[in-house]
Amino acid sequence: KQEVTQIPAALSVPEGENLVLNCSFTDSAIYNLQWFRQDPGKGLTSLLLIQSSQREQTSGRLNASLDKSSGRSTLYIAASQPGDSATYLCAVIKAAGNKLTFGGGTRVLVKP
Amino acid sequence: ETGVTQSPTHLIKTRGQQVTLRCSSQSGHNTVSWYQQALGQGPQFIFQYYREEENGRGNFPPRFSGLQFPNYSSELNVNALELDDSALYLCASTPGRDRVKTEAFFGQGTRLTVV
Repeated sequence: KQEVTQIPAALSVPEGENLVLNCSFTDSAIYNLQWFRQDPGKGLTSLLLIQSSQREQTSGRLNASLDKSSGRSTLYIAASQPGDSATYLCAVIKAAGNKLTFGGGTRVLVKP
Repeated sequence: ETGVTQSPTHLIKTRGQQVTLRCSSQSGHNTVSWYQQALGQGPQFIFQYYREEENGRGNFPPRFSGLQFPNYSSELNVNALELDDSALYLCASTPGRDRVKTEAFFGQGTRLTVV
């Protein structure tokens, strides 16, 4: 059974600092990994999708890496801003069309 | 904006009642999945519908049921509501197994409170 873990559960940084968010999964046989952002009480916003054949994906200040063999992904957010305060969730999918298995999320606070 | 819409956004029900939540999928997506998210936790998979058929189910009792319609919109029904059913219910739309890139797009969620 796939288990996804995100450590730490919460993180507080001053504005301008780079954010490093970790995601680990127990079964390396994944199809892809997706990072989401969630604002309080809201739905999930897709940030980046990394397919299993890829090592990283970038979008603006966001960069996500994937190391399937070690069961890890890292989301980097450069030059953090107060607007980046949210919960960040990672999820893996085993095959096309299957369910997402989520981690518990990392709650981020960026202080001005 | 993802194009996935859920209704209603908030709902308060009494224990023992029944509830129906609705979701419209993104254009071109034939697969809808439902997730339950308790406060402070990651979403948990309830079930998935692909081309109007149930295509996988998580560890939820039979009183959680669903439907998918020919236009790929979907309903989640919960009977005999319990206090522990209070949660944010999320709907995800994906292209399904028909496509290589299976990026999931979520609606804004329905906050269900059972009292």
